[in-house]
Order: sequence, then structure tokens, then C-alpha cells
Amino acid sequence: DAGVIQSPRHEVTEMGQEVTLRCKPISGHNSLFWYRQTMMRGLELLIYFNNNVPIDDSGMPEDRFSAKMPNASFSTLKIQPSEPRDSAVYFCASSRNRWETQYFGPGTRLLVL
Amino acid sequence: AQKVTQAQTEISVVEKEDVTLDCVYETRDTTYYLFWYKQPPSGELVFLIRRNSFDEQNEISGRYSWNFQKSTSSFNFTITASQVVDSAVYFCALSEPKTSGSRLTFGEGTQLTVNP
Repeated sequence: DAGVIQSPRHEVTEMGQEVTLRCKPISGHNSLFWYRQTMMRGLELLIYFNNNVPIDDSGMPEDRFSAKMPNASFSTLKIQPSEPRDSAVYFCASSRNRWETQYFGPGTRLLVL
Repeated sequence: AQKVTQAQTEISVVEKEDVTLDCVYETRDTTYYLFWYKQPPSGELVFLIRRNSFDEQNEISGRYSWNFQKSTSSFNFTITASQVVDSAVYFCALSEPKTSGSRLTFGEGTQLTVNP
């Protein structure tokens, strides 16, 4: 079975541009999570969805970040406008339900110049 | 206060040595889950193990073993006869359903380098 799929794997953009990260969870998984990994802050949860509904977005840094899950097989994380401090690896993870093990995608390495 | 502490930032061993990675956690929840994930140089996060707070049995999977001790709030990970392919960053993580919902709280990770 395919694991969590993320695209793009690498993104380089200029400050002020809009960035959209995409995630396809494992088929049959009802919960989806977005994490960010930086040297300064380590791995931190940004937002998670259960059955396509956002449950906890307390980790979203500010209004420049938004996430959607229009259906069970697709989610996006958007940054508009992007800033250099947004440079990080963004991971998407999914689990069968919100209490089960989270399986991570390969990550998107974002560099904002 | 750190909820998950991995005191060893970096460990370097020679192949075939045994190595133990420490993890100490802090929670007031009676039901919680502990995890270990591996992040090899390629960057992905690979799930290794999940334990719930009611199951203190130690677990062994091939060369990997885990020692869960509630009395000391520790969940240590031992690799026996280490190999170069074990070189990676290893993360311990905590899930506290009552306090933090489904959020995983990660430790800062331990960089393990296995030299040939």
C-alpha cells in the first residue's frame, strides 16, 4: 500500500510569494496532521483534521498559514505571503483514527529566500 | 518544562556495539502513548514502536528493544549489535489524549552515528 504522499518534495520561493503544500493520506485513514520541523523548534504540530474537519489549529503560527481538507484523500497547507522564517521541513501524517499511530510522509523541504 | 527529554544529543559508536537511547517523559494523564520514530539522512520519519501507558511489558523486535518503566517515566530504546544503517536521528514522542488531544509531543532527538 502507498504511504502518505506529499508534493512537492522541495520548494524554493521568494519572500512574499504564495506557497501551497499538498498531502494525500493513506487510504482509509480518517485523521490527517501537519507538522513543521525546524532546528530551533524541533517537530511541532500545526493543525490536524478528523474526518476532514479541523480539530486543533492552535499550532498554526499566524494568519498567513491556512489548511484545508476538501475530501478524505487530499489536504493543502498554504502560506501567503511566505517569509524567510517559514523555511522548514513540513510533514504530513495520517492515522486510522485520531488515537492511532501517525504515519508520516516524506516531507516538503521549503526554502523562502 | 520539557514534556519529552532526550538528554543525549549525539551518540557515536562503532559497528556491533550495543547502544541505548534514553527518553524521559512528563505527563499527568493516566492514559498516554509513547512512540519512537527514526529519521535517517534521507529525511523521512519512520515509525518504530507505540506503547500505551497500561502496558509496561518490554518489547523486542530483532535487534531493537524497548524498556518502558512508569516508575521512572522512562521509555528507553536499545539497539543491539549496531550497524551503519542504524545511523539516524531518533525521536521519542508522547501523546496525551486528555491533555493534548491527538498531538504528538516530540523530544529533541538523538543523533546516532554508527561508524564502520
